[in-house]
Amino acid sequence: GAVVSQHPSRVICKSGTSVKIECRSLDFQATTMFWYRQFPKQSLMLMATSNEGSKATYEQGVEKDKFLINHASLTLSTLTVTSAHPEDSSFYICSAQRERGAEETQYFGPGTRLLVL
Amino acid sequence: AQKITQTQPGMFVQEKEAVTLDCTYDTSDPSYGLFWYKQPSSGEMIFLIYQGSYDQQNATEGRYSLNFQKARKSANLVISASQLGDSAMYFCAMRESSGTYKYIFGTGTRLKVLA
Repeated sequence: GAVVSQHPSRVICKSGTSVKIECRSLDFQATTMFWYRQFPKQSLMLMATSNEGSKATYEQGVEKDKFLINHASLTLSTLTVTSAHPEDSSFYICSAQRERGAEETQYFGPGTRLLVL
Repeated sequence: AQKITQTQPGMFVQEKEAVTLDCTYDTSDPSYGLFWYKQPSSGEMIFLIYQGSYDQQNATEGRYSLNFQKARKSANLVISASQLGDSAMYFCAMRESSGTYKYIFGTGTRLKVLA
């Protein structure tokens, strides 16, 4: 099956620092990856769509300078939370699109819990 | 605009019983996909089942089945023979038919299976 990994799984950082989260598709090529954010007891909110070799498309209300996304290869996308603040603490999940006929299922990574002190 | 609605914030079911989790959607696109995911406390999103808008039959995957009623725009998840390990959050999602393939998620239903 399709496997997507995320690293790190958990990170604690001081306010003002930057944090990079990696999302990798391990056994398939993903032309499109998605980054979601989930607050406790809430649903997943799409932050941005990341396409290999092009700029990410951000959802309304998401600061592109705050959440830098780089999709450098068909198997790797990174999300960098710049100058993190306590309100950025959240669960960040990535997913990768692998076209399987008409299904086009997204496969999700295990998520990264970010705590900003 | 596309929208997914899950009206049950929490559900209880007795072990070995069946349970139905509700999901309604709204879209003007004739082509769309509907998904159900399970999210245990660990946080990972586990894909359960998929239903395409043009599929004639309801999707089934083991103990999971999707009761797809297109005219009512509903895509309820049925879990048969509930197990304690089924306790988790369940999210219904709809995929846009445009080239971006974005997913829109419902607010989720927390299922608790009772022994």
